[in-house]
Amino acid sequence: SQTIHQWPATLVQPVGSPLSLECTVEGTSNPNLYWYRQAAGRGLQLLFYSVGIGQISSEVPQNLSASRPQDRQFILSSKKLLLSDSGFYLCAWSVQGGLGAFFGQGTRLTVV
Amino acid sequence: QKEVEQNSGPLSVPEGAIASLNCTYSDRGSQSFFWYRQYSGKSPELIMSIYSNGDKEDGRFTAQLNKASQYVSLLIRDSQPSDSATYLCAVNEGNTGTASKLTFGTGTRLQVTL
Repeated sequence: SQTIHQWPATLVQPVGSPLSLECTVEGTSNPNLYWYRQAAGRGLQLLFYSVGIGQISSEVPQNLSASRPQDRQFILSSKKLLLSDSGFYLCAWSVQGGLGAFFGQGTRLTVV
Repeated sequence: QKEVEQNSGPLSVPEGAIASLNCTYSDRGSQSFFWYRQYSGKSPELIMSIYSNGDKEDGRFTAQLNKASQYVSLLIRDSQPSDSATYLCAVNEGNTGTASKLTFGTGTRLQVTL
């Protein structure tokens, strides 16, 4: 069966510091991978998605970036965090062709 | 701007009753529709998917889709206290190739009371 791992579970970072969140998927090949953010009291917002190694599509202009160095690894990064980057970050995967997405445990990021 | 609208609730139903959760969407080209359950502080869990007009049943859950009215609903029969959670409606954009680009509603909080 497929599993998705995301870490860390919680993170407190000062403004201006860098960020690296990692996500890996097991039990499937060539998945679509996604980064979503859920801000307090708001819906999930798609940040990035990837349909293959090195292929990244950005949905929202921001100071975040994403990379996919391996088939089942997806990384979310920032060079300098802003207060507005606080939120619940969720990695997800789906099979090629869509049909819904499956989420990791999430990382709760607080920028102070 | 593609939108998915849900009543934020809370929707309060007694244990054993039917909970009815509703969702409307703006993009007529949407092809697939999903319901997620999210417990407080946890990540969303996919519980139902529906792709064609009509009803789809899975255990105590029934998803209903009406593309003409751009309306999706989720019925939970015999509601249990463990069903208390926020339910998110998600819609997959049409014409996205292989990616599942989901637009989410803000969710309806369901409270099942004893």
